[in-house]
Amino acid sequence: GAVVSQHPSWVICKSGTSVKIECRSLDFQATTMFWYRQFPKQSLMLMATSNEGSKATYEQGVEKDKFLINHASLTLSTLTVTSAHPEDSSFYICSASVTSGSETQYFGPGTRLLVL
Amino acid sequence: ILNVEQSPQSLHVQEGDSTNFTCSFPSSNFYALHWYRWETAKSPEALFVMTLNGDEKKKGRISATLNTKEGYSYLYIKGSQPEDSATYLCAFTRGNQFYFGTGTSLTVIP
Repeated sequence: GAVVSQHPSWVICKSGTSVKIECRSLDFQATTMFWYRQFPKQSLMLMATSNEGSKATYEQGVEKDKFLINHASLTLSTLTVTSAHPEDSSFYICSASVTSGSETQYFGPGTRLLVL
Repeated sequence: ILNVEQSPQSLHVQEGDSTNFTCSFPSSNFYALHWYRWETAKSPEALFVMTLNGDEKKKGRISATLNTKEGYSYLYIKGSQPEDSATYLCAFTRGNQFYFGTGTSLTVIP
């Protein structure tokens, strides 16, 4: 149980295009979903927290107009990187939890984004 | 940003050896400490959640201990097997926010 899928697993795009990443909880309803980013040799850094049906909460330094998050249902959250630039190249990974507390988060396998 | 440190950064052991690594975290306002195992191209897999000082958890050959007063947790693997090769992540939680370490990359040599 507690499986989270993420699609696509990798994407290469041209600078200036937008990229959408989907995160789905397959066998449970996720009240809260989280989006992280990981640069090489660094730890997972939280970008934003989203609760179903409400606006996402962004961490300091993360541009909400650039990283659009939609959590339209209890099983799906999407992250759209708008007008991607090479510095947005990174590993993006989502997680989901049943509540918004500190219980275990269940992770997707991640998406590697390369912006040329 | 809270500092969660893991050591060593990487580790190579022979099959059958036992090993351990460390996660250090701030000792104030502790809520929980999580350990994950992350194999390449897969999702991080939750191993343990520990909340109480002195907690010890075990899952097969893997066990973990927690010291919240001094701010560290140890993960032990007994009799390492090649399938144990992965990155082991710890995450400290305060409130509902997770703060991750950079992980310990374990390679078990057959």
